[in-house]
Amino acid sequence: EPEVTQTPSHQVTQMGQEVILRCVPISNHLYFYWYRQILGQKVEFLVSFYNNEISEKSEIFDDQFSVERPDGSNFTLKIRSTKLEDSAMYFCASSDQGLGANVLTFGAGSRLTVL
Amino acid sequence: QKEVEQDPGPLSVPEGAIVSLNCTYSNSAFQYFMWYRQYSRKGPELLMYTYSSGNKEDGRFTAQVDKSSKYISLFIRDSQPSDSATYLCPPQRNNNDMRFGAGTRLTVKP
Repeated sequence: EPEVTQTPSHQVTQMGQEVILRCVPISNHLYFYWYRQILGQKVEFLVSFYNNEISEKSEIFDDQFSVERPDGSNFTLKIRSTKLEDSAMYFCASSDQGLGANVLTFGAGSRLTVL
Repeated sequence: QKEVEQDPGPLSVPEGAIVSLNCTYSNSAFQYFMWYRQYSRKGPELLMYTYSSGNKEDGRFTAQVDKSSKYISLFIRDSQPSDSATYLCPPQRNNNDMRFGAGTRLTVKP
């Protein structure tokens, strides 16, 4: 079964450092998403990406965040200058959204720990 | 008013029990009603979805939508410890903005 692959599975970084989280969505999917989940809290929407541009973003997705699809397969989330409160699990998801239900397939997540 | 309201639980039941998980929603324009399941430290995964009103059954799981009352339910028959997870009912608004609530945390005790 096709899956969304995320790397790294766990990253530890110092406050103020830049972090790039990588995702390989399912190959025929057109919509890509990043979510984060702080431990014990709900899954929070960060951003969606379609046709090589951001289509929606939440209030969490401020100037320190950016997303990119550098080639035909990867989808990345960059955090420019990490803060302690960025410590969370980051999930990538993709969907093929034709007509009908928008079914998201999630990756296993990347755990980010900011010290 | 939140678009979807869901009892956060936690809900604890003995193995074999019938579980009922519920959500209410406010936007009558929603047409697809999803249930996702999230195991601890994993990404959410789609369990099932229904279109418009009615029931949909998949094994031990039944999803039910009552559009007149804006009420959606997920029933789990013969619940198993492996059903212990958080269950989410995100509203589908458009392709680009899919938001999840806190979900209902379910524990099925052996």
